[in-house]
Amino acid sequence: KAGVTQTPRYLIKTRGQQVTLSCSPISGHRSVSWYQQTPGQGLQFLFEYFSETQRNKGNFPGRFSGRQFSNSRSEMNVSTLELGDSALYLCASSLDGREQFFGPGTRLTVL
Amino acid sequence: AQSVTQPDIHITVSEGASLELRCNYSYGATPYLFWYVQSPGQGLQLLLKYFSGDTLVQGIKGFEAEFKRSQSSFNLRKPSVHWSDAAEYFCAVGPYNTDKLIFGTGTRLQVFP
Repeated sequence: KAGVTQTPRYLIKTRGQQVTLSCSPISGHRSVSWYQQTPGQGLQFLFEYFSETQRNKGNFPGRFSGRQFSNSRSEMNVSTLELGDSALYLCASSLDGREQFFGPGTRLTVL
Repeated sequence: AQSVTQPDIHITVSEGASLELRCNYSYGATPYLFWYVQSPGQGLQLLLKYFSGDTLVQGIKGFEAEFKRSQSSFNLRKPSVHWSDAAEYFCAVGPYNTDKLIFGTGTRLQVFP
C-alpha cells in the first residue's frame, strides 16, 4: 500500500505570492492533518480534515487555509506569503483518528 | 494548557550504549502518547504509541517506552543504540478520536562509533 504522498517536494516563492500544497493520503484513510515545522517553533498543528469537513484548526492566521476532496486528497493554501512561512509542511493521514502516518513533507522557501 | 516537554535538546551516546529520552506532558484528560523519529529531510515515522493498558509499550527498531501517570512521563528507551538510530526524536500527545497532536521540541540523538 502506498504511503502518504506530498507534492511538490520543494517550492520557492517570493513574499506576497500564494502557494498550494497537495497531499494524497493512504488509500482508505479519511482523515488528513497538516503540520508546519520550523526550527524556531517546532512542529505545529495547522488543521485536520475528516470526510471533507474541517474538524480541528490550529492557531494560525487566516492566510492559511485548506480543504479536502471527496477522494480524501487534501490541499492547503497560503496566501500573501511572508518570510516566516518558510518551513517544512507535513501532511499526515489516519484511518481511525488515532495513529497518523506522515508524508515526506513539502519544503517551502519564501524569498 | 496542553504541552509536551522534552528537556534534552541534544544527546550524544556511543554505539552499543543504552539510551533514555525523556518526555513529560501536561494534559487535562487521559492522553494518547506517541514517539516519532525523523531523519534529516524526511517525514516522521511512528516508533510506538500508548493508548491504554500495559504501561510498557514496545515499538519498532527495538525501542520501548513506559507511561507513568504519576509523573506525567512517557520516556523512550533502547538497551543498545546503533549508529543508524542517529536522528531527531519527537514525543507527542493527542486527544481521543482526533488527529490534533501536540509535539515536544524534539531531541537530537548523535551516535558515536
